[in-house]
Amino acid sequence: EIVLTQSPTTMAASPGEKVTLTCRASSSVSYMHWYQQRSGTSPKLWIYETSKLASGVPNRFSGSGSGTSYSLTINSMETEDAATYYCQQGSSYPLTFGSGTKLEIK
Amino acid sequence: EVQLVETGGGLVQPGRSLKLSCVASGFTFNNYWMSWTRQAPGKGLEWVASITNSGGSTYYPDSVKGRFTISRDNAQNTLYLQMNSLRSEDTATYYCTRYPRRMAPYYFDYWGQGVMVTVSS
Repeated sequence: EIVLTQSPTTMAASPGEKVTLTCRASSSVSYMHWYQQRSGTSPKLWIYETSKLASGVPNRFSGSGSGTSYSLTINSMETEDAATYYCQQGSSYPLTFGSGTKLEIK
Repeated sequence: EVQLVETGGGLVQPGRSLKLSCVASGFTFNNYWMSWTRQAPGKGLEWVASITNSGGSTYYPDSVKGRFTISRDNAQNTLYLQMNSLRSEDTATYYCTRYPRRMAPYYFDYWGQGVMVTVSS
């Protein structure tokens, strides 16, 4: 089973600040996918296949990485970006998720 | 508009069974692999089961293998999750999810609103 480790667990950012969330895999994966979950709502696909933005995702978001190290970056933090972000690998079964990074607004 | 609507959750005693349903609309259901993913209260996400578009193949993690069964009725645009021998650790919100692709990399492009399952005596 591929274990995904996200860091940090929680963080707070000020409006306009650049934010980077990381996800490390215990074995190499071909791609990483990211989901955003706002409080009390279902997760939403946010970034897929490492760097492709899902429909409706603002272009201040970007994704990058390869092998065992991946990241999600927000170029300029906005209030609406406060949420928990989960990474997920789909290269092999069992499909696994990271434990999430809770991003708060300062 | 793609919609996934789950039903069937509730309170169930340990060791008992429960069956969840997910009615899909807004897309051609029999073209897509489907899945269930769950989230325990205050916790992260866990993939629970997947099924191919024809229903011919299914996949499970070890945590539910042998206890849970995923199935589908393409004529009724409905996905199911039969959960047997339920344990307290199965307490979670269960989401119906859709795969946009039939081959790796696998991920989920649409999620339902979720249905709560509580396993407790």
